[in-house]
Amino acid sequence: DIQMTQSPSSLSASVGDRVTITCRASQSIHNYLNWYQQKPGKAPKLLIYAASSLQSGVPSRFSGSGSGTDFTLTISSLQPEDFATYYCQQSYNMLALTFGGGTKVEIK
Amino acid sequence: QLQLQASGPGLMKPSETLSLTCTVSGGSLSSSSYYWGWIRQPPGKGLEWIGSLYYSGSAHYNPSLKSRVTMSVDNSKNQFSLKVTSVTAADTAVYYCARRTTSFGVVPPMNWFDRWGQGILVTVSS
Repeated sequence: DIQMTQSPSSLSASVGDRVTITCRASQSIHNYLNWYQQKPGKAPKLLIYAASSLQSGVPSRFSGSGSGTDFTLTISSLQPEDFATYYCQQSYNMLALTFGGGTKVEIK
Repeated sequence: QLQLQASGPGLMKPSETLSLTCTVSGGSLSSSSYYWGWIRQPPGKGLEWIGSLYYSGSAHYNPSLKSRVTMSVDNSKNQFSLKVTSVTAADTAVYYCARRTTSFGVVPPMNWFDRWGQGILVTVSS
């Protein structure tokens, strides 16, 4: 299986901060990388697909980049509603989809 | 607006078979652009993909669960289902059903989960 490692596992930030979350794959997955946001008690929500494509309806302060094994999710200016847990997911191996362990973004 | 709703028992005993159904409304299961999947999340932990299913009935499962998992589809009812045999406490989780959009223009096809149900908590306890 392709292992997905996110860092950090948690971070504290203030409203208005620029936040960067990293996801590393155990082998090259080209750009087969998706990002999700999950708030407590809610289902995950798709933010970014194919490493850098913004899902319809998602604010433009969210962006994704990377290719191969290293990927980044950036929130350009953190808003109160962005405090949540973020997961990356590889879709390169369709027979064994895997998620990262998650990054919890908390209020400083 | 497409909606997915998972249903099934909330409490089970060890060794029983878990059966969940996901009802899709506002859209059809029988579309060539989509797979349908199950993902679970143990309390306080991360997400685990269980399996994905095409409207034809073709399915693929997480290798770690493959021996205990079966997924099926009922296009006439716009539903798909999950069965997990011989459950243990380790199967306690919120179970989500989701739509996986698949773009067949590249190889392998690009895919992502873009619609999720609300999730159902299944607790396995004696």
